[in-house]
Amino acid sequence: GAVVSQHPSWVICKSGTSVKIECRSLDFQATTMFWYRQFPKQSLMLMATSNEGSKATYEQGVEKDKFLINHASLTLSTLTVTSAHPEDSSFYICSAKTGTGAEAFFGQGTRLTVV
Amino acid sequence: DAKTTQPPSMDCAEGRAANLPCNHSTISGNEYVYWYRQIHSQGPQYIIHGLKNNETNEMASLIITEDRKSSTLILPHATLRDTAVYYCTVNFGNEKLTFGTGTRLTIIP
Repeated sequence: GAVVSQHPSWVICKSGTSVKIECRSLDFQATTMFWYRQFPKQSLMLMATSNEGSKATYEQGVEKDKFLINHASLTLSTLTVTSAHPEDSSFYICSAKTGTGAEAFFGQGTRLTVV
Repeated sequence: DAKTTQPPSMDCAEGRAANLPCNHSTISGNEYVYWYRQIHSQGPQYIIHGLKNNETNEMASLIITEDRKSSTLILPHATLRDTAVYYCTVNFGNEKLTFGTGTRLTIIP
């Protein structure tokens, strides 16, 4: 299947700093990308949906000024966690799909720990 | 507000077929049914999807009822490596892709 590469796979940062996570579709063009957050023993919680060249659509309760999403090209989307705090520690996962009827492929996830 | 409901957990003996049900009674006519699985601390893995016909690939079979209100994922010969959380979801086009709580499948030796 298609490959979605997410980087970094884990990161530790100090409280108050910002962290950028990259999501790349390596062998296909992704018209839509999704960003999720997952806490231990819970399901994936959708944070936002982004289409290439458009502003991301955030889910209710997700602060768009804190979680900045950029989908500048058909192969790259980034999530920046600004002014991170310990409660932002979580497993962040991206996925990408090409369009109607297509399956979504997921990155390997990024484990963020804010200390 | 998940669009699908699944049993929280299931066990299956190694080598037997694992049948995982999913209810999606509010599915709309153009939405596809997708199945993914997630092994601990990894990103979800795509398994199979379909619109209304049954589908089979190298990993699994997908049986969708005629009214499309439910489906069953079949792993024909379960192995220990199939132990994972299995998610059923419905989606169309570029609409948001959401997940319910999934089924934790445990393969028993």
